[in-house]
Amino acid sequence: SQTIHQWPATLVQPVGSPLSLECTVEGTSNPNLYWYRQAAGRGLQLLFYSVGIGQISSEVPQNLSASRPQDRQFILSSKKLLLSDSGFYLCAWSGAGGPSYEQYFGPGTRLTVT
Amino acid sequence: LAKTTQPISMDSYEGQEVNITCSHNNIATNDYITWYQQFPSQGPRFIIQGYKTKVTNEVASLFIPADRKSSTLSLPRVSLSDTAVYYCLVGDYGSGNTGKLIFGQGTTLQVKP
Repeated sequence: SQTIHQWPATLVQPVGSPLSLECTVEGTSNPNLYWYRQAAGRGLQLLFYSVGIGQISSEVPQNLSASRPQDRQFILSSKKLLLSDSGFYLCAWSGAGGPSYEQYFGPGTRLTVT
Repeated sequence: LAKTTQPISMDSYEGQEVNITCSHNNIATNDYITWYQQFPSQGPRFIIQGYKTKVTNEVASLFIPADRKSSTLSLPRVSLSDTAVYYCLVGDYGSGNTGKLIFGQGTTLQVKP
C-alpha cells in the first residue's frame, strides 16, 4: 500500500532563518507531487506541483522553492522565512497518468515563524 | 477553474442526514465535482467525485442536477466523528491532468450530541 511521510511534524523558526521540509512517498512510482499551505482558519493554497524528477511548477510567487531530487521525494525550502510563512504545510501525491482529483495527503508540518 | 460557493458553517445532530450544497455556476464541460473532508490538524481526505446525476459510495452521496451548476453532498446519519470541514472542488481532473486542486474555505460541519 502507498504511504506518504512528512517531517518534521512541528517546527518553530525565527524570521530570516532557512527552511527545509521533506516529503516522501512509498509504494508508488512516478507520482504527481504537491505542496500546499493552509493558514489558520483558511482553505488550502497550492504552492508547487511536480510531475517528475526536476520538474517543478510554481503556483504562487513567494520566497519559497521546491525541489524533487528523487522520484518519490519532494522538498520545500526557503532561504529566509517571513512571519507570513507560518501555517500548516501539506504534501500530497496522486497517481501518474490517472484521474488526479483523488490526492492523498500527508500528516502535515505545522510551521510557526516567530 | 470554476469558482465554488458553499456555506461557511452548518450545525447538525447525531443521527440526522446532512446536506451541504455547493454552487458552481461557471462549471465547464470537462469539469468534475469533487468533495474532500478535513479534520483538524490533518490533511484533507477524498470523499466522493462525480460528473452528473447521482453518485453513492460507502461514505456519502453526491447529487448533481442536469445543469450541473450546483451539487449537494449528502451524509447519512452523521455522528460526532463527522465534525470536520468539507470542501467542494470543481475542475478538469481527467486522466493525465496534473490535478491542481483549488480549495476554498469549505463548510465547517459541527455535529452535536
